[in-house]
Amino acid sequence: QVQLVQSGAEVKKPGASVKVSCKVSGYTLTELSMHWVRQAPGKGLEWMGGFDPEDGETIYAQKFQGRVTMTEDTSTDTAYMELSSLRSEDTAVYYCATVRDGWYFDCWGQGTLVTVSS
Amino acid sequence: QSALTQPASVSGSPGQSITISCTGTSSDVGSYNLVSWYQQHPGKAPKLMIYEVCERPSGVSNRFSGSKSGNTASLTISGLQAEDEADYYCCSYAGSSTWVFGGGTKLTVL
Repeated sequence: QVQLVQSGAEVKKPGASVKVSCKVSGYTLTELSMHWVRQAPGKGLEWMGGFDPEDGETIYAQKFQGRVTMTEDTSTDTAYMELSSLRSEDTAVYYCATVRDGWYFDCWGQGTLVTVSS
Repeated sequence: QSALTQPASVSGSPGQSITISCTGTSSDVGSYNLVSWYQQHPGKAPKLMIYEVCERPSGVSNRFSGSKSGNTASLTISGLQAEDEADYYCCSYAGSSTWVFGGGTKLTVL
């Protein structure tokens, strides 16, 4: 069974960057595709991007292209999501979520609250 | 990519059935049988309830069912229980390795 454990809450100033981690256990990163989804306070879920195993590339939602970078360290089975040029609208809970055997997000991390405030 | 359209809220009494709709376009919901539904309780991570339009993961009650017609997918919960009160989100594959979520529906069990 996959378990995802994310890093702790962050407070950042506008213009800064944040890097959130997601540690995988029960599987190795190479056995699944990692995606990132965020949720602003009181708002819905928003897909940010994820790994496409068919192409071997990471695909980003158009809204975040140029500002987000998703990476993986297969030696530690840890995925990372870095968002730069932060603004107040980026205040949200950021989730990592896996796609394994199909076309759906079957396992989610506990979420990491990122607060952007001056 | 625009978010899929869901009603903001639905409600029902214990034992009743409710249906939540999820309307997309011919580029997402209408093109792929890859709609999934997620339940989210306050302060918790989303939980997969339905995948590939109508399939239930192991451990999910058979009171939850899904369907699709054209550009609209639906989640039906029968025999409503207090524990079903939560937010529900639909999600669809949108081509080119991208995904889109619905805006979410708050279910209130009266």
